[in-house]
Amino acid sequence: EADIYQTPRYLVIGTGKKITLECSQTMGHDKMYWYQQDPGMELHLIHYSYGVNSTEKGDLSSESTVSRIRTEHFPLTLESARPSHTSQYLCASSELGGENTEAFFGQGTRLTVV
Amino acid sequence: GNSVTQMEGPVTLSEEAFLTINCTYTATGYPSLFWYVQYPGEGLQLLLKATKADDKGSNKGFEATYRKETTSFHLEKGSVQVSDSAVYFCALTARNYQLIWGAGTKLIIKP
Repeated sequence: EADIYQTPRYLVIGTGKKITLECSQTMGHDKMYWYQQDPGMELHLIHYSYGVNSTEKGDLSSESTVSRIRTEHFPLTLESARPSHTSQYLCASSELGGENTEAFFGQGTRLTVV
Repeated sequence: GNSVTQMEGPVTLSEEAFLTINCTYTATGYPSLFWYVQYPGEGLQLLLKATKADDKGSNKGFEATYRKETTSFHLEKGSVQVSDSAVYFCALTARNYQLIWGAGTKLIIKP
């Protein structure tokens, strides 16, 4: 069973607010990811990390930022939310090496910016 | 570059029908191939995988065979249930072990 948690599950927030989406995993995985999922269901990688103090931008440009101060924690921050940020955000983790590596996903945060 | 192409959805079937969701890929080297499933309101979870040519992954009645000659990994199930309604994602791991995702196929099973 996957042990990766995202909070909140749902968030409605006003334009211009600062928000942080939380993601934690208890599996000791080095690699963590943030995906943005559009209404058509397609997944877009926006950030990933290989371990503590490692953060990389993904394929889709995003105004969000991430940090990785602890192995288990990979929060995503939007300094000033806009309606264009409305989306589903999925966090995932995996072991570091190997092409057979399975990714484990949290349940997602559905963000609505009004 | 590496890419995954899935059949467009939604795919709508009646209960007990035979299911095929097509997936083809482009990759350098010998990627591993995966099917993930996303049930409504949930994150993704691994359904099955295959790590080399001619391998067959299977789980929960679903199967997919790694076909290198046709660069395909089609998902099949002999008799679908309403509870199989979900979005299905085909994926591969590239040389740097990054997951490359298909666009997802929504499956709707009607009673």
